[in-house]
Amino acid sequence: SQTIHQWPATLVQPVGSPLSLECTVEGTSNPNLYWYRQAAGRGLQLLFYSVGIGQISSEVPQNLSASRPQDRQFILSSKKLLLSDSGFYLCAWSVAGTKIKETQYFGPGTRLLVL
Amino acid sequence: GDSVTQMEGPVTLSEEAFLTINCTYTATGYPSLFWYVQYPGEGLQLLLKATKADDKGSNKGFEATYRKETTSFHLEKGSVQVSDSAVYFCALGAYGGSQGNLIFGKGTKLSVKP
Repeated sequence: SQTIHQWPATLVQPVGSPLSLECTVEGTSNPNLYWYRQAAGRGLQLLFYSVGIGQISSEVPQNLSASRPQDRQFILSSKKLLLSDSGFYLCAWSVAGTKIKETQYFGPGTRLLVL
Repeated sequence: GDSVTQMEGPVTLSEEAFLTINCTYTATGYPSLFWYVQYPGEGLQLLLKATKADDKGSNKGFEATYRKETTSFHLEKGSVQVSDSAVYFCALGAYGGSQGNLIFGKGTKLSVKP
């Protein structure tokens, strides 16, 4: 069966510091991968998605970047965090080659607090 | 563009009460529709889905029917339990626009009291 992992689970970082959040998927090959952010009291915002190694699409201009160095690894980064980067970050995957009508499966999330 | 509107919460019910969370959508074509649930401090879990008109998704006593004529996908449960307390998200997946995008509603927080 497929599993998705995210770490760390919780992170407290000062403004201006760098960020690296990691997501890995097991049990499937060449998945579509996604990063979402959930701000307090708000819905989910898609940040990035990837359909293959080195292929990243950004949905919104922002202070963050994403990379996919391996087939089942997706990394969310920032060089300098802003207060507004605080939130709950969720990684998700879907079956390779499927269109967006198919199900996405979410990881447990990383709670980021920027002070 | 495509969008999802779900009823704002929070919703507070007593145990064994009937639950309805309304969800309506706007989309071109024939989207798939989903309900996800988020328990406190956790990620999202798929609760149920429907991929075409008149389909009924069901899981754990929850049901939702894909109504194309009313562009709705309301979530229902006949008798809620304290363990159902969570945030519920309606979402649609459609062609067009971004390939990667599931469009989510803002979520409805449900609290069930014993």
